[in-house]
Amino acid sequence: ELKVEQNPLFLSMQEGKNYTIYCNYSTTSDRLYWYRQDPGKSLESLFVLLSNGAVKQEGRLMASLDTKARLSTLHITAAVHDLSATYFCAANQAGTALIFGKGTTLSVSS
Amino acid sequence: DTAVSQTPKYLVTQMGNDKSIKCEQNLGHDTMYWYKQDSKKFLKIMFSYNNKELIINETVPNRFSPKSPDKAHLNLHINSLELGDSAVYFCASQYRGSYNEQFFGPGTRLTVL
Repeated sequence: ELKVEQNPLFLSMQEGKNYTIYCNYSTTSDRLYWYRQDPGKSLESLFVLLSNGAVKQEGRLMASLDTKARLSTLHITAAVHDLSATYFCAANQAGTALIFGKGTTLSVSS
Repeated sequence: DTAVSQTPKYLVTQMGNDKSIKCEQNLGHDTMYWYKQDSKKFLKIMFSYNNKELIINETVPNRFSPKSPDKAHLNLHINSLELGDSAVYFCASQYRGSYNEQFFGPGTRLTVL
C-alpha cells in the first residue's frame, strides 16, 4: 500500500530565507505531484515529477525527485509572503487516485 | 471557462438528511474522482470513475453513492447524513494513464448540524 509522508507539517519562515519540505513515499510510484492550497480554496498543481533525478522550477519553488530514496523535496528560495499556503505532495501509480501527504502549512513573516 | 466545476459550493444541512453534490468537467478527461478533505486538511480518495465505470471504491460508508451519467459528470449522493460527514469534498479529473496532473474543482464545504 502506497503511503506518503511529509515533513515538517508546519513551517514558520522568515522572508528572504531558504527552506525545504520533504516528501517520502513507501512503495514504487510512477510519479510525484506537488500541489498548493490557499485557505478556503482548491488545489493548484505546481509540479509533476516523472523520473529519477527530475528537477522542476517555477519562480522561488524548485521540486526534485529521487526515486531510489523514494524522496521528493520542495525547496523554497528567499521566501516571500505570497508563498504562505499549505503544500501537499502526492504520489500514485498510473491511472490511480492520488495518495496525499498530510500537507505542510507555510507561514512567512517579515 | 471553468475546467472542473462543483455545485453547490456550500451545503449546510441537518443530520439524517439526504443531499447531493454535482461535478462537471469540460476538459474532455475520461477519469473523475471524489476526494474528502477533513478538518485537519487531510485528503483521501473516495471514488473514481473511468468512462462512467466505477474503478476505485475505497472504504467509504455505503451511505455514499457516486453516479456518473456520462464521462463529463460525476455526482455524489449522501444518505442519512452524519456529523462526521462534515468536510470539504473535491472533485478531480484526469486522462487515465496519462502523465498529467489531476485538476481539482473548487470544492463543496458540507456542514452537518
